[in-house]
Amino acid sequence: NAGVMQNPRHLVRRRGQEARLRCSPMKGHSHVYWYRQLPEEGLKFMVYLQKENIIDESGMPKERFSAEFPKEGPSILRIQQVVRGDSAAYFCASSKYTDTQYFGPGTRLTVL
Amino acid sequence: AQSVTQLDSQVPVFEEAPVELRCNYSSSVSVYLFWYVQYPNQGLQLLLKYLSGSTLVKGINGFEAEFNKSQTSFHLRKPSVHISDTAEYFCAVSDRIETSGSRLTFGEGTQLTVNP
Repeated sequence: NAGVMQNPRHLVRRRGQEARLRCSPMKGHSHVYWYRQLPEEGLKFMVYLQKENIIDESGMPKERFSAEFPKEGPSILRIQQVVRGDSAAYFCASSKYTDTQYFGPGTRLTVL
Repeated sequence: AQSVTQLDSQVPVFEEAPVELRCNYSSSVSVYLFWYVQYPNQGLQLLLKYLSGSTLVKGINGFEAEFNKSQTSFHLRKPSVHISDTAEYFCAVSDRIETSGSRLTFGEGTQLTVNP
């Protein structure tokens, strides 16, 4: 059973560009979560999605960030007009029920 | 609101020594508790979890943790560490309310360094 897949693993963008991060949950998992890990900090919750629905986006910045989990395909975290402060590791996790989350390897975003 | 405090940001130990990584939490509702390990430039791997039942939980790689409700603690222990245990360890908590989802609140992490 493959684990949570994230791609790309590393992403470099220049200020003002868009970043798209993809997450494929474990087979049979319908709950997806995104977390951000800033340098030298712990992980902070961003958003929780189920298929075609955003359940909790209380951790998402109000501007430039959006997330989706379509009926078909991976979950996408989209960051528009990136700034240097967006440089971080972005982790996706999935769960079958609402208890145990399994994490992907992360996407490390660098904004030049 | 929930919060998690990992009392030590860095824990250096010698190989084969015992180790305890401390974690305290605060929450107004019942919680699930987790420990994750992160090796450099990798994702988080689940070490162990407490959902219900016995308060002593055994995990992978010889680690165990004890849930203490009265002290709101979930300390991680290993009787004898190896060089390969060097990593960052995160304690996390989530609500036991299924309808609200189970977003995790993490501590700031403890860097465990095992020296020869």
